[in-house]
Amino acid sequence: AQTVTQSQPEMSVQEAETVTLSCTYDTSENNYYLFWYKQPPSRQMILVIRQEAYKQQNATENRFSVNFQKAAKSFSLKISDSQLGDTAMYFCAFSEGSQGNLIFGKGTKLSVKP
Amino acid sequence: GAVVSQHPSWVICKSGTSVKIECRSLDFQATTMFWYRQFPKQSLMLMATSNEGSKATYEQGVEKDKFLINHASLTLSTLTVTSAHPEDSSFYICSARSGRRINTEAFFGQGTRLTVV
Repeated sequence: AQTVTQSQPEMSVQEAETVTLSCTYDTSENNYYLFWYKQPPSRQMILVIRQEAYKQQNATENRFSVNFQKAAKSFSLKISDSQLGDTAMYFCAFSEGSQGNLIFGKGTKLSVKP
Repeated sequence: GAVVSQHPSWVICKSGTSVKIECRSLDFQATTMFWYRQFPKQSLMLMATSNEGSKATYEQGVEKDKFLINHASLTLSTLTVTSAHPEDSSFYICSARSGRRINTEAFFGQGTRLTVV
């Protein structure tokens, strides 16, 4: 069975600094997608960034970037120039198979401090 | 991004009654919809996957007779919690995807907080 592991239940960072959230996954598939979702206090799930497994180049979206290590099955999220609005739960997710349903990690609660 | 509207945002019901939660894709046709359950301070657990016009596929451990899912149109899926009990109290979230390919982005509803008293 596929699993997604986030080993950091909580993290904090000072405003304007950089923070990295870790995620590892386990799968025997070769074609899959990885995602980072943000869930602010409103509880609305928001897609932050996604990575196709067949692409070696790490995905970037403005201040957000990933470090995708396929062999190590690692998919970390780096947030640069952290902002107060980045405070939220961050979930790493994995998608594969014919339905493409998302399997989520347990989440990391990120607090950005002024 | 596309909009998925989930209604109601919160509902309180008496034990033994049924409650229906709606999930609508407002500006796209949702080929596939997913229903998740999220306990406080925990992750999202997939309950079931539904494709328009066909029966939902339930995850192991989810009672299909208790959590009825209907995906009768390309823009609407409903989750009915039948004979609700306090242990069914939770946050329920739907998501919808316009295509069957796994790279198609899934958009999430705002969630429904169900409290059974």
